Amino acid sequence: DQQVKQNSPSLSVQEGRISILNCDYTNSMFDYFLWYKKYPAEGPTFLISISSIKDKNEDGRFTVFLNKSAKHLSLHIVPSQPGDSAVYFCAASKGGSEKLVFGKGMKLTVNP
Amino acid sequence: DAGVTQSPTHLIKTRGQQVTLRCSPKSGHDTVSWYQQALGQGPQFIFQYYEEEERQRGNFPDRFSGHQFPNYSSELNVNALLLGDSALYLCASSRAYSLLAGGPSKEQYFGPGTRLTVT
Repeated sequence: DQQVKQNSPSLSVQEGRISILNCDYTNSMFDYFLWYKKYPAEGPTFLISISSIKDKNEDGRFTVFLNKSAKHLSLHIVPSQPGDSAVYFCAASKGGSEKLVFGKGMKLTVNP
Repeated sequence: DAGVTQSPTHLIKTRGQQVTLRCSPKSGHDTVSWYQQALGQGPQFIFQYYEEEERQRGNFPDRFSGHQFPNYSSELNVNALLLGDSALYLCASSRAYSLLAGGPSKEQYFGPGTRLTVT
């Protein structure tokens, strides 16, 4: 039972354009959401997070949007850079639990 | 500021053997979580240690056990290895209390992982 879903396995964009990565979740008890980036042969790197009391959080080129009614979140990267090419994981946690539930990941390729 | 470190980097074991993986948390962190990442999947939570006790556990059999030491470092032990245990094992650290969060820090910081191959 996949509680966090990243339905698109890959995305390819041109440098300078916007990258939009989507994530859906099924468990309404989730109240904190995170995005991680992973390069080959490295562990996931924390990127940005959002609490369920917000609908938007920005950090430089990265913005995460949360739509609680649709149980959907998205990560926007503007402008996209070749160094952003990596696998991106969406993760969620609920209540006081620190256990993270991850999606399967999505490979982003930014072409120069 | 040292990040999360894990050892060894790679490991090859035979079915039925036992393995121990090690993790040192990021400086200032006191909580360690372990995840298993199979090929093409996202990381799956195994368990979490805080104050040398297992605090939470995911859906993994008792063959998976762990330990946390007074210096917050941790070990993951897997007994009676199966072919299906082949995966990347990730350690993540966090703080039980963050002043900014007013509670547990939600962000976990991952190490590079240990690639375990069971033949």
